[in-house]
Amino acid sequence: SQQGEEDPQALSIQEGENATMNCSYKTSINNLQWYRQNSGRGLVHLILIRSNEREKHSGRLRVTLDTSKKSSSLLITASRAADTASYFCATLGETSGSRLTFGEGTQLTVNP
Amino acid sequence: EPEVTQTPSHQVTQMGQEVILRCVPISNHLYFYWYRQILGQKVEFLVSFYNNEISEKSEIFDDQFSVERPDGSNFTLKIRSTKLEDSAMYFCASRGTATGNTIYFGEGSWLTVV
Repeated sequence: SQQGEEDPQALSIQEGENATMNCSYKTSINNLQWYRQNSGRGLVHLILIRSNEREKHSGRLRVTLDTSKKSSSLLITASRAADTASYFCATLGETSGSRLTFGEGTQLTVNP
Repeated sequence: EPEVTQTPSHQVTQMGQEVILRCVPISNHLYFYWYRQILGQKVEFLVSFYNNEISEKSEIFDDQFSVERPDGSNFTLKIRSTKLEDSAMYFCASRGTATGNTIYFGEGSWLTVV
């Protein structure tokens, strides 16, 4: 079955630094979505990148997708303490119907 | 911005009891989902629902679970005879009609089975 795997599992940085999280998956996808989850809270959609796209920006977020390597990265620039959260990638497979498959997540801590 | 709303936010129930988790998806969406997240683990797909029927379900979604859209706005997940291992955060989600549209999640319902 398809799995999304993020690395690193945990990342601790100082405010103002950039944070890069990576995600790998195993099967062909329709799109890949990144979500943020604050502790004990819901999943907030950050950005969606389609399989025919290579890069996408939204504010301080930059997402890349390399379908040949089956990987994606999420870059948060000029991080803030409020960016502290878990970040998940989720893939919508070409043949998985409409289900999203989530990765294990990266716990990002931004220290003030 | 439209959002998916879920109730209750937290429920504690005795093992063996039935639980109904409620969701109001975004109003013009037609695809609805339930996911769950056991504490400290990743988010897992349970079921998707479209055109008043289940379109896909995972191996987790066994006979203990059922979903229903009783009216034009609510989407419910019923868990019959809850078990300790059903303790988790349950997320409802919805999306619009176009393929590849963003899937929007609610804040979740914490279920604790004791």
